[in-house]
Amino acid sequence: DAKTTQPNSMESNEEEPVHLPCNHSTISGTDYIHWYRQLPSQGPEYVIHGLTSNVNNRMASLAIAEDRKSSTLILHRATLRDAAVYYCILIGRDDKIIFGKGTRLHILP
Amino acid sequence: DVKVTQSSRYLVKRTGEKVFLECVQDMDHENMFWYRQDPGLGLRLIYFSYDVKMKEKGDIPEGYSVSREKKERFSLILESASTNQTSMYLCASTENPGVTDTQYFGPGTRLTVL
Repeated sequence: DAKTTQPNSMESNEEEPVHLPCNHSTISGTDYIHWYRQLPSQGPEYVIHGLTSNVNNRMASLAIAEDRKSSTLILHRATLRDAAVYYCILIGRDDKIIFGKGTRLHILP
Repeated sequence: DVKVTQSSRYLVKRTGEKVFLECVQDMDHENMFWYRQDPGLGLRLIYFSYDVKMKEKGDIPEGYSVSREKKERFSLILESASTNQTSMYLCASTENPGVTDTQYFGPGTRLTVL
């Protein structure tokens, strides 16, 4: 079973920030939080990952709660090309990667 | 640029046929993975491999086998295809086994078994 819980779908307006939540209440101390996204008709692609501190890269930001039981992927200015399914995944020492159902993000023009 | 390619984007086979899905990566990665993706179920791991001639079962290996004779190539085999194996199949690779390593995915093969 997936170790994360995400909303099934979300909507956002184009050019506005998007906050995608993820709950992972059973996270262990050595689990990293990874985010991937899957554009229509493509394989998933890496977005960002982190352990404890907030992380930024050219695609997004990752905000991790202090108790690490939840995290939020932030797209600072959504475009139509950001419409995708976003997966929040925990990856631990056993290297087993379990993808949940993800959040389908709709961007409204 | 990192590249994972899969032999076919779309494939149609008949029940009972032997099916080969090929995946090739050009990044000299150690680890390769096969997933299937179904509506409402997300991605599920079928098999993975950490080295040539090495394989490990994932969450749903039944009805599948794999082959890794060369580092760059990982094949998924359906010995006798069945209709419940109609799905999207995704191959991925990572450089090293590790909690921070990025998975690179291929474009997927949509298999239909009639």
